[in-house]
Amino acid sequence: GDSVTQMEGPVTLSEEAFLTINCTYTATGYPSLFWYVQYPGEGLQLLLKATKADDKGSNKGFEATYRKETTSFHLEKGSVQVSDSAVYFCALRYDYKLSFGAGTTVTVRA
Amino acid sequence: DVKVTQSSRYLVKRTGEKVFLECVQDMDHENMFWYRQDPGLGLRLIYFSYDVKMKEKGDIPEGYSVSREKKERFSLILESASTNQTSMYLCASGRGTEAFFGQGTRLTVV
Repeated sequence: GDSVTQMEGPVTLSEEAFLTINCTYTATGYPSLFWYVQYPGEGLQLLLKATKADDKGSNKGFEATYRKETTSFHLEKGSVQVSDSAVYFCALRYDYKLSFGAGTTVTVRA
Repeated sequence: DVKVTQSSRYLVKRTGEKVFLECVQDMDHENMFWYRQDPGLGLRLIYFSYDVKMKEKGDIPEGYSVSREKKERFSLILESASTNQTSMYLCASGRGTEAFFGQGTRLTVV
């Protein structure tokens, strides 16, 4: 079935470092792809999305590009802040079903 | 703003009890989902519903059932709670490609 595999954490970075979280997917059709974020003590919220190949989603300095040829949707941010410390989930949606990866915990130190 | 409300933030139940987790959304969304979130496993889909009285099994439906009698309400039922169902339960609703999450219910089965 459709599934998502994302980079295992935890990831610890210093402020202003570059962040990449890898995400690859397996799907029979053409899914929509998402990154969700869960800040400490809060619910999940959508960070960005891409609905077709070569689309780039972006929000809050984060970017991810839907790469059909490599079945990937890697999340990147050029300069992280302490406030970016959170758990990040890659997800895909095909038909009605929304499936998530295991999550990557990111900690940014001042 | 979209609001997805789960009836309880914290719940403690005894083994063998029948447990109801309620979720209500206020945006007339067709699709609703129940997930459980466990450390290292991410979010796993239990059930989803794409319309009133319609339901589909997710990846881990065993030991659970659901009810969707009205569009705004999606209930998760643990027929006979067991300790391995201790978890964080997340409800989501959406239309099209985006999903919105509730705050979660942390259920402990003792």
